[in-house]
Amino acid sequence: NAGVTQTPKFQVLKTGQSMTLQCAQDMNHNSMYWYRQDPGMGLRLIYYSASEGTTDKGEVPNGYNVSRLNKREFSLRLESAAPSQTSVYFCASSESPGNQPQHFGDGTRLSIL
Amino acid sequence: GENVEQHPSTLSVQEGDSAVIKCTYSDSASNYFPWYKQELGKRPQLIIDIRSNVGEKKDQRIAVTLNKTAKHFSLHITETQPEDSAVYFCAASNGANSKLTFGKGITLSVRP
Repeated sequence: NAGVTQTPKFQVLKTGQSMTLQCAQDMNHNSMYWYRQDPGMGLRLIYYSASEGTTDKGEVPNGYNVSRLNKREFSLRLESAAPSQTSVYFCASSESPGNQPQHFGDGTRLSIL
Repeated sequence: GENVEQHPSTLSVQEGDSAVIKCTYSDSASNYFPWYKQELGKRPQLIIDIRSNVGEKKDQRIAVTLNKTAKHFSLHITETQPEDSAVYFCAASNGANSKLTFGKGITLSVRP
């Protein structure tokens, strides 16, 4: 039981390049989330999916897109990476929307030059 | 929307002493309050949570108290140990929109 698995763990991109961060959970959770973590800023929600087939914007969605591929997988795409998107990205999942503990993956450390 | 604040941003205690970390929230409809611990370079991990129908919850050396009137909740760690050194995040949710709003975190340092 791996919990929440994120790939890759590290990535360096050049400005303007695109990439997709992958996230998969094996806990049969309905809800999945993408956060970014910057020093002193805490965890900021980028997008979330309350259930399979739905996605909604969070606090900082600009420059990102998401896809809820199926119940297990939720990907985050950067279409044209910018240095301001250098951050640590965490995926999380929870059993149901709201009022349930969220379980986090190990994170993806992304640097954009 | 919900606003969660944590103060101060850093806290240092002597090993064996107690530590109290306080969070305030703005949405009176919030009813779920988890606490996460994040060690350096690691993922946030849930350590304890409380719901609005309970005033206090304990789990070994940690406890959380909730004051709905004042809209604040606190994490209490007794007999602190060096391994308690980490960043602690509080969060709040009203359940209606499935989102957790996190505070910016407090760095706890336990001096040996």
